[in-house]
Amino acid sequence: DAGVIQSPRHEVTEMGQEVTLRCKPISGHNSLFWYRQTMMRGLELLIYFNNNVPIDDSGMPEDRFSAKMPNASFSTLKIQPSEPRDSAVYFCASSAGDRDQPQHFGDGTRLSIL
Amino acid sequence: SQKIEQNSEALNIQEGKTATLTCNYTNYSPAYLQWYRQDPGRGPVFLLLIRENEKEKRKERLKVTFDTTLKQSLFHITASQPADSATYLCALPASGGSYIPTFGRGTSLIVHP
Repeated sequence: DAGVIQSPRHEVTEMGQEVTLRCKPISGHNSLFWYRQTMMRGLELLIYFNNNVPIDDSGMPEDRFSAKMPNASFSTLKIQPSEPRDSAVYFCASSAGDRDQPQHFGDGTRLSIL
Repeated sequence: SQKIEQNSEALNIQEGKTATLTCNYTNYSPAYLQWYRQDPGRGPVFLLLIRENEKEKRKERLKVTFDTTLKQSLFHITASQPADSATYLCALPASGGSYIPTFGRGTSLIVHP
């Protein structure tokens, strides 16, 4: 079975540009999470969707960040405009519920903003 | 909100020995605690979950304990192998009313042949 699929794996762009990260969760999973990982702050939850509806976006750093989940098989995380401090690895994860179910992570997008 | 503490220093052990990693938390007692493994350039992979009413959980060479009095979980790998080298993260709910996990910073384990 395919796991969580993220694209692109790597993204290098100049500050001020729009960045769009994509995620395909595992089929049948109804919860989707976006995380950001840095050496300084570790793995931080940005936003959580349940049944395609955003439930908790308190981790989204600021208005430059937005996330959508138009259907059960696709989600995007957009940064506009991007800044150097946004450089990090962004992970998408899905799970079969919002309780204590294990999260299945993609291999992340390594984002570098110059 | 919950604060999770994992040793930031890498743990170096010899092959065949038992590795023990620690996860401490503050504030309230979580309903569950999870352990994940992360390899360089990859996403975390779920290993084990232990619930608040369980003292111990085992899976092959892995063992997790959960002490709600000490507010601590221990993660053991017996008969460690170089292939066990990775970063291990613990995760537990961020707050009393939430089941959404928040992650510790992780501890790097290095098993020497």
